[in-house]
Amino acid sequence: EVQLVESGGGLVQPGGSLRLSCAASGITFRDFWLSWVRQVPGEGLEWVANIKQDGTETIYVDSVKDRFTISRDNAKNSLYLHMSSLRAEDTAVYFCAAFPRPYSSGFDYWGHGTLVTVSS
Amino acid sequence: SYVLTQPPSLSVAPGKTARMTCGGDSIGTKSVQWYQQRPGQAPVLLIYYDSDRPSGIPERFSGSNSGNTATLTLSRVEAGDEADYYCQVWDVNTDHVIFGGGTKLTVL
Repeated sequence: EVQLVESGGGLVQPGGSLRLSCAASGITFRDFWLSWVRQVPGEGLEWVANIKQDGTETIYVDSVKDRFTISRDNAKNSLYLHMSSLRAEDTAVYFCAAFPRPYSSGFDYWGHGTLVTVSS
Repeated sequence: SYVLTQPPSLSVAPGKTARMTCGGDSIGTKSVQWYQQRPGQAPVLLIYYDSDRPSGIPERFSGSNSGNTATLTLSRVEAGDEADYYCQVWDVNTDHVIFGGGTKLTVL
């Protein structure tokens, strides 16, 4: 059974930092591109960032560029999102997701999400 | 940036067919994916590459894509199909992933 399990969410003050983790099992981790997708409660899905199988390529939505960093450790089957200079509008449930290739595939696997709340 | 437009809501009686649309400029030239998200749960991939179904997805779900509109068709709607449905494409100009705003399907 494929499992993606996020952790690291919580309450953080504006301007603060947080690191999210996503632990994978049941898949050949290094074969997949990985993403973070977020969702403000009650609203739609917003893609945040992608990272290639070997970690050599990353890309971000404009609103988080230069503030968030996506990374992965294939030896630990883990994905990370380091978030800094957090803003109230970053408050959301953050999902990790896996897909085999860009442009013609979808997100095959999703975690259950972890809630990040940015508030003073 | 590329924009996908979905009607916010759709209501369908049980046993009928639900057609959910996703509009975008020349979307017919892109690969469209569809997801179902039930309340409190993670999204589930229903359709990829316009019309392909992952294993385990019922044949009641089908997809099409042409011109400026992609469509997810759900046949013989059941109460358990109540959920939010999202379309998704890749913007090949920016390598960004784009989601539509979602359609909330209500089964009457």
